Amino acid sequence: AIQMTQSPSSLSASVGDRVTITCRASQAIRNDLAWFQQKPGKAPRLLIFAASRLHSGVPSRFSGSGSGTDFTLTISSLQPEDFATYYCLQDYNYPRTFGQGTRLDIK
Amino acid sequence: EVLLVESGGGLVKPGGSLRLSCKASGFTFTSYTMSWVRQAPGKGLEWVSSISNTHVNKYYADSLEGRFTVSRDNDKNSLYLQMNSLRVEDTAVYYCTRSGFVAGIDYWGQGTPVTVSS
Repeated sequence: AIQMTQSPSSLSASVGDRVTITCRASQAIRNDLAWFQQKPGKAPRLLIFAASRLHSGVPSRFSGSGSGTDFTLTISSLQPEDFATYYCLQDYNYPRTFGQGTRLDIK
Repeated sequence: EVLLVESGGGLVKPGGSLRLSCKASGFTFTSYTMSWVRQAPGKGLEWVSSISNTHVNKYYADSLEGRFTVSRDNDKNSLYLQMNSLRVEDTAVYYCTRSGFVAGIDYWGQGTPVTVSS
């Protein structure tokens, strides 16, 4: 199975900061990567798919990049509602695998 | 609006069985691969199983060791997960998800909790 390694596992930041989360795949996965946001007690929601495509309704301050094994999720200017946990998912093959998550909280 | 509503979760003893259901609406169910993802308390997301739109292809996490079976009824717009020989480590919230044509997962249900405990 493809291993997905996210970093950092946790991150403290302030409103207005620019934040970057990375995800590394144990083998090349083209651009078959998605990013999700999850708030406590809620289901995850899709932010980015195909590494860099913004899902419908997602604010443009979220962006994704990367291909092959290295990917990044960037939030250009943190808003209060962005404090949450973020996960990457490879959908290159089965079994699907998630990163371990990055908890983003307020500094 | 895409809507996925899970049901069937609950408390079960180790070794017991449960059948989860997911009722889909707001899209053409027969066109999409569907999946189950779970999340143990305080832990990350774990993909469990997927089934193609025509039932032909089914995939499972290795960790399940053949105890779970995914199925779907396209006439009822429903997805199912039959869970047998349940273990304490299967305790989790189970989410029904839709696989988009490009995105591996694009929509999630609200989840149904499963607790395996004696």
